[in-house]
Amino acid sequence: TQLLEQSPQFLSIQEGENLTVYCNSSSVFSSLQWYRQEPGEGPVLLVTVVTGGEVKKLKRLTFQFGDARKDSSLHITAAQPGDTGLYLCAGAGAGGFKTIFGAGTRLFVKA
Amino acid sequence: DAGITQSPRHKVTETGTPVTLRCHQTENHRYMYWYRQDPGHGLRLIHYSYGVKDTDKGEVSDGYSVSRSKTEDFLLTLESATSSQTSVYFCATGGQGSNQPQHFGDGTRLSIL
Repeated sequence: TQLLEQSPQFLSIQEGENLTVYCNSSSVFSSLQWYRQEPGEGPVLLVTVVTGGEVKKLKRLTFQFGDARKDSSLHITAAQPGDTGLYLCAGAGAGGFKTIFGAGTRLFVKA
Repeated sequence: DAGITQSPRHKVTETGTPVTLRCHQTENHRYMYWYRQDPGHGLRLIHYSYGVKDTDKGEVSDGYSVSRSKTEDFLLTLESATSSQTSVYFCATGGQGSNQPQHFGDGTRLSIL
């Protein structure tokens, strides 16, 4: 069974601080996605990474896919209260269309 | 926004009653999914569909059934609801291929007393 472990599970920081969220697995994924979810809503896609070692930037968010395509990280620079939410990583296996989700990291950024 | 509507958005019912949740999409996506989201577990796949009348089980399918009679509609049924099925249920759609993102509805909060 494929598993994706996210850490930390919960993070409370002050506005302006930097943070990194990790997503790890013993399985290889053909692609990995990061979603952000707000209360009462469904997850919304932030980014998809598909190549080992790939780095993608989305404004203050930097996403990296591990060289072996088993892990990923999300780094937020100068966090803002608007970044508050649940961050989910999700991995898709080769040749398949089913996605495995991590349990999520709940981020709270205090003003 | 893939135009996904889930109904109802909230439901409270009693143990042993049948419950049907509806998902409607307007983007003509081939793949549709039902997940449940529980604290500490993230999103877990219940059932999915890869076309009209083509469905398959996910990792937590026991106690659930699905039907897809039209491309745009995917129904999730709890034949006899149990308290362990209290959860938030999300429908999602996706394109073909493992690199395609999933688009989610806003969820149905189901409480079984």
